[in-house]
Amino acid sequence: QKEVEQDPGPLSVPEGAIVSLNCTYSNSAFQYFMWYRQYSRKGPELLMYTYSSGNKEDGRFTAQVDKSSKYISLFIRDSQPSDSATYLCAMRPRVFGNEKLTFGTGTRLTIIP
Amino acid sequence: EAGVAQSPRYKIIEKRQSVAFWCNPISGHATLYWYQQILGQGPKLLIQFQNNGVVDDSQLPKDRFSAERLKGVDSTLKIQPAKLEDSAVYLCASSLGDTSYEQYFGPGTRLTVT
Repeated sequence: QKEVEQDPGPLSVPEGAIVSLNCTYSNSAFQYFMWYRQYSRKGPELLMYTYSSGNKEDGRFTAQVDKSSKYISLFIRDSQPSDSATYLCAMRPRVFGNEKLTFGTGTRLTIIP
Repeated sequence: EAGVAQSPRYKIIEKRQSVAFWCNPISGHATLYWYQQILGQGPKLLIQFQNNGVVDDSQLPKDRFSAERLKGVDSTLKIQPAKLEDSAVYLCASSLGDTSYEQYFGPGTRLTVT
């Protein structure tokens, strides 16, 4: 069993729709949860970061962490064609000197104009 | 602020040949990471440096992969000899190295082994 599971998609939605992306994990030591966005032939860029459980909102993006269920989500409101990319969840323990990120496989998202 | 630089961007080699990748992290970043991203998968950490020292190389295939970080700045990753399954994008990332959570990624080097 992989430590982090992510539906690879692909996922296609019309412009303006709400997008929901999800990951599940098995390692209860994970405390930091991130979402990275990766455009084609580019490196990943950090989109959202959450520590422990709870919600975090940044513009059209909302990240949720439910540690009791070992489940994290990223919601994109009013989706735009520029949101078309691969979205990677990543997580790591809260141990100084161990910043090793464990990534999901990524979900490829296409927003249709 | 300049980002993480990597070169070359693309490389095609035959199996059993050797190849080297170069990374220049963001100025002042103490921690440097090399990841391997196979098509359709998330990045997998190969090695993590803190300044000059290796913090984690548990997933580095040491019989063929080697990495060094000169003077705590630039880094090179080498594969010798390459295998077909080494075809992937090799990503370099850096971070401040304290409790900072953010890793900044370079554009990657796309390696094709034929």
